[in-house]
Amino acid sequence: QQPVQSPQAVILREGEDAVINCSSSKALYSVHWYRQKHGEAPVFLMILLKGGEQKGHEKISASFNEKKQQSSLYLTASQLSYSGTYFCGTERAGSYQLTFGKGTKLSVIP
Amino acid sequence: NAGVTQTPKFRVLKTGQSMTLLCAQDMNHEYMYWYRQDPGMGLRLIHYSVGEGTTAKGEVPDGYNVSRLKKQNFLLGLESAAPSQTSVYFCASSYGGGGTYQETQYFGPGTRLLVL
Repeated sequence: QQPVQSPQAVILREGEDAVINCSSSKALYSVHWYRQKHGEAPVFLMILLKGGEQKGHEKISASFNEKKQQSSLYLTASQLSYSGTYFCGTERAGSYQLTFGKGTKLSVIP
Repeated sequence: NAGVTQTPKFRVLKTGQSMTLLCAQDMNHEYMYWYRQDPGMGLRLIHYSVGEGTTAKGEVPDGYNVSRLKKQNFLLGLESAAPSQTSVYFCASSYGGGGTYQETQYFGPGTRLLVL
């Protein structure tokens, strides 16, 4: 079952902040975040593990609420290069698979 | 180091034709995946492999077959193409290797398939 992402789309001006949410009805072991620019492949941003460990991007932060099975991606002081579609991928324990959400389209304008 | 490569980049098929998509990785990754991406649907897993000689079904496996005869290659076959299989297909690989969680997946550039 796909995780639910919100919002579906957001438009920001340069320098503004944004939060993208990802929630699942299943117990999660890890949450992954990827960004995809138009016509390109998804690119890894961050992994959040059960227990609080984070691995990934220096300028983007995220959180993982294990009790609620929710993750949030925080984009601060947005730049034009942040534009793209953001996907969360969720992993259940032992599955070695990711189930991706439908994506959040982020547009940063000057 | 090319990472993950996919062949072909674009293909047009007629309904009922068959074809094979090739994915190759040079990172010595154990795990490989095939996804399809349709507008508004995100990435959906078709099949995956956790090592040479192994394959498993993902979320949307019907109408596709896969093979992993060599560690570096993962083939996706369409037995009898249908218009519903028009999509962008992405291959990905990850280290795996018995870790406790899903490692980072590295994606190929994608193959655009149009079935008429």
